Amino acid sequence: SQQGEEDPQALSIQEGENATMNCSYKTSINNLQWYRQNSGRGLVHLILIRSNEREKHSGRLRVTLDTSKKSSSLLITASRAADTASYFCATDQSGAGSYQLTFGKGTKLSVIP
Amino acid sequence: DTGVSQNPRHKITKRGQNVTFRCDPISEHNRLYWYRQTLGQGPEFLTYFQNEAQLEKSRLLSDRFSAERPKGSFSTLEIQRTEQGDSAMYLCASSVLTGKGYTFGSGTRLTVV
Repeated sequence: SQQGEEDPQALSIQEGENATMNCSYKTSINNLQWYRQNSGRGLVHLILIRSNEREKHSGRLRVTLDTSKKSSSLLITASRAADTASYFCATDQSGAGSYQLTFGKGTKLSVIP
Repeated sequence: DTGVSQNPRHKITKRGQNVTFRCDPISEHNRLYWYRQTLGQGPEFLTYFQNEAQLEKSRLLSDRFSAERPKGSFSTLEIQRTEQGDSAMYLCASSVLTGKGYTFGSGTRLTVV
């Protein structure tokens, strides 16, 4: 079963605009991670935010976490054509005795040059 | 750091045949994970190794699936008596600690005809 659900399922923006993707999850987590996947390839880890953190930045990425609402958002600023990919949130529930990351279905981002 | 290596990249097999995939994780990473991903979906957890010990298996991992990690280095995933529903991308990932991001390989795409 999938813990995280991303919204929207697909997003199309012009180069230079900002892209915001949201993720909701169901149970308590240790941390939440965002990954990028280019078509037909493996996933690349982007950023990790722990359950006691509310916001984190990495380059053009900004992630927020609201544990009371069980939701997270990923903001990509000043988007580039190279940002075109699918983006997945993944929740780590290792404190519950499980070692797995549970992924959502992803948001497909298209950045138009 | 040569990353996570998976072989083969593509495998086409006839229904009923056995297939084996190999994953070589980053050498310092003692944690290794197998995931399966179908089109339009996020990765689904299959199994987790810490060193050579298989510590967690998903209910998705039927009796036809077996994974090993001898000596805590590379890992193999075998599917016996393949079915068309096994067609998917099989992803391997490794990490050094719980609570850190995963490094994924490029995956093995299995097509069962």
